[in-house]
Amino acid sequence: DGGITQSPKYLFRKEGQNVTLSCEQNLNHDAMYWYRQDPGQGLRLIYYSQIVNDFQKGDIAEGYSVSREKKESFPLTVTSAQKNPTAFYLCASQSGGDNEQFFGPGTRLTVL
Amino acid sequence: GQNIDQPTEMTATEGAIVQINCTYQTSGFNGLFWYQQHAGEAPTFLSYNVLDGLEEKGRFSSFLSRSKGYSYLLLKELQMKDSASYLCAHYNQGGKLIFGQGTELSVKP
Repeated sequence: DGGITQSPKYLFRKEGQNVTLSCEQNLNHDAMYWYRQDPGQGLRLIYYSQIVNDFQKGDIAEGYSVSREKKESFPLTVTSAQKNPTAFYLCASQSGGDNEQFFGPGTRLTVL
Repeated sequence: GQNIDQPTEMTATEGAIVQINCTYQTSGFNGLFWYQQHAGEAPTFLSYNVLDGLEEKGRFSSFLSRSKGYSYLLLKELQMKDSASYLCAHYNQGGKLIFGQGTELSVKP
């Protein structure tokens, strides 16, 4: 079955630690996106990648880093520089010839 | 600039009809989306409007007026499972998808 997966679903980290969130898709989509969602708010774009080995900052990239070494994978690292990392993180992918973005199930990160 | 506004929350009765409005301002327009999101889950696609008018898809319909910067999502024959957050989003001129804050819909028996 084609789809987009994120792991883990729930993640806890201690303050000051870096943590990496996984996002994998087997839809053969060129573009991938990372969003952050806080309670009662819409999605805000962190980073996006339109092609392998290339990525761009979104609106709230500070304290985050990404890589796009493979078409299928777009991991997001939340660094200790991110002041308020506790949030729901959503990954999405999109085909070049389509307007719809497909979302993964999300990872809820809690910093203790 | 890019602004997109929708009501924070709405309440409706099972079996009724509800309309969720969305207004937007953008220097470039390339289509408007509606997504449904249940708590703790991923948004799922409902509709995409790029031309003016009403598009119907079962119990859900979406309307767009580009001249007014206005869209609405119409939900008919409401069911309890329709209780969710409804997100309005549009592409800006730079090709990024910009989301509204979402409208939390509560369906009561």
